[in-house]
Amino acid sequence: DVKVTQSSRYLVKRTGEKVFLECVQDMDHENMFWYRQDPGLGLRLIYFSYDVKMKEKGDIPEGYSVSREKKERFSLILESASTNQTSMYLCASSFTSVYNEQFFGPGTRLTVL
Amino acid sequence: AQSVAQPEDQVNVAEGNPLTVKCTYSVSGNPYLFWYVQYPNRGLQFLLKYITGDNLVKGSYGFEAEFNKSQTSFHLKKPSALVSDSALYFCAVSDVNYQLIWGAGTKLIIKP
Repeated sequence: DVKVTQSSRYLVKRTGEKVFLECVQDMDHENMFWYRQDPGLGLRLIYFSYDVKMKEKGDIPEGYSVSREKKERFSLILESASTNQTSMYLCASSFTSVYNEQFFGPGTRLTVL
Repeated sequence: AQSVAQPEDQVNVAEGNPLTVKCTYSVSGNPYLFWYVQYPNRGLQFLLKYITGDNLVKGSYGFEAEFNKSQTSFHLKKPSALVSDSALYFCAVSDVNYQLIWGAGTKLIIKP
C-alpha cells in the first residue's frame, strides 16, 4: 500500500514563529503536493514539486516556501506564521501522468495563536 | 479555464436508500475525472476514476460513478447507503500539468 506520512497530526504555534511541516512518501512518486483545506473552500494548492529540487507555485503560495532535497520528502515552511494560516494542511504524492490519482497523508491541523 | 462544480453543499439520505452526489466539469480536451472521500479528521482517500472506456466506473466501498460527456457530469452513486458512508466527498479533474482541479466538496449525511 502507498503510504504518505506527515510529521504531525496537530500543531500549535505562535504568530511569527517559523513552522516546518514534513511529508514523506514511500512509493517513489515523482510528484508531491501541499494543499490547505478550509471549510467551504475545498482544497487549494500551495506548492507542488515534480522532481527533486524542483518546485512550482500553486494557487496560494504567499507566506509559504517548500523544499525537496530527496525524492521521498517534501517540506512546507511557514516563514513567519500568521493567524490566517490556521488550517488543515494536506500532503499528497503521485506518479507523473494525467491518469494517476494522488495519494494523501492524514493531514496536519495547524493552529496559529 | 478548467473547473469542477459540486452544486450541493450537503446531501441527506436515509440508510438503505440510493445516493447520488453530483459533479459537473468544464475542461478543454479529454476529461480525466476522480472522486475522493474524506472521513472526519482524516486525509483524502481515492474512490474511483474515469480515464476512458465504459461510462460506468466502479470503485471502492460499493461506489460507482457515471460519466456523461454530453452533460459534462460525473455523478457519484451507490445503490444502498450505509451510515458509515457519511463523509465529505470531493470531485476532481486532472489538468495537463498533472495537477488536480478540485470541487468544493459535498457533505454526505446518511441517517439511520
